[in-house]
Amino acid sequence: GQQVMQIPQYQHVQEGEDFTTYCNSSTTLSNIQWYKQRPGGHPVFLIQLVKSGEVKKQKRLTFQFGEAKKNSSLHITATQTTDVGTYFCAGDGAQKLVFGQGTRLTINP
Amino acid sequence: DSGVTQTPKHLITATGQRVTLRCSPRSGDLSVYWYQQSLDQGLQFLIQYYNGEERAKGNILERFSAQQFPDLHSELNLSSLELGDSALYFCASSVEWGSTDTQYFGPGTRLTVL
Repeated sequence: GQQVMQIPQYQHVQEGEDFTTYCNSSTTLSNIQWYKQRPGGHPVFLIQLVKSGEVKKQKRLTFQFGEAKKNSSLHITATQTTDVGTYFCAGDGAQKLVFGQGTRLTINP
Repeated sequence: DSGVTQTPKHLITATGQRVTLRCSPRSGDLSVYWYQQSLDQGLQFLIQYYNGEERAKGNILERFSAQQFPDLHSELNLSSLELGDSALYFCASSVEWGSTDTQYFGPGTRLTVL
């Protein structure tokens, strides 16, 4: 079946460093969504990308959708302790969202 | 606050028992999804209901069942519980049933099987 792979699984950075997580699909996606789950919390929707090559920004977060619509990335510039959590991408597969395994970001203050 | 409510927040039970988890979707949302998240794991999709009908099925065990009622709330029933069923169970809702819909997650029910 359709798979959505995320790398890395874990990332530890110093506060102020940049962070990037990558998402790859085995099939072409109609859209990709990103969610963030804070420690002890529930996943919260961040953004949806629909167009090939689309780039969206939310303050220090930059989201990209690949030209072939099979991959995506989330880049955080100058991480802050509030960025701690697990970031999930989710792509459409068989009429449902398929979530990647997530990238857990921890930050050394 | 996502507008999705789940009860109970915590549940502790013994192996072999049966429990029911409850979810109320956001007002106006017709789809309900159930996910299982084990410690340090990703979100495992279990099942989706749309307007009372089963819409999509994931890796849901035969010991687990769910339903969505006319008022759109949903229940996930877990029976013959095993230690490995200990996990966080999330419910999410969306307006429609498609894969482009944003999902809004509830706070989760933490199930501990002893």
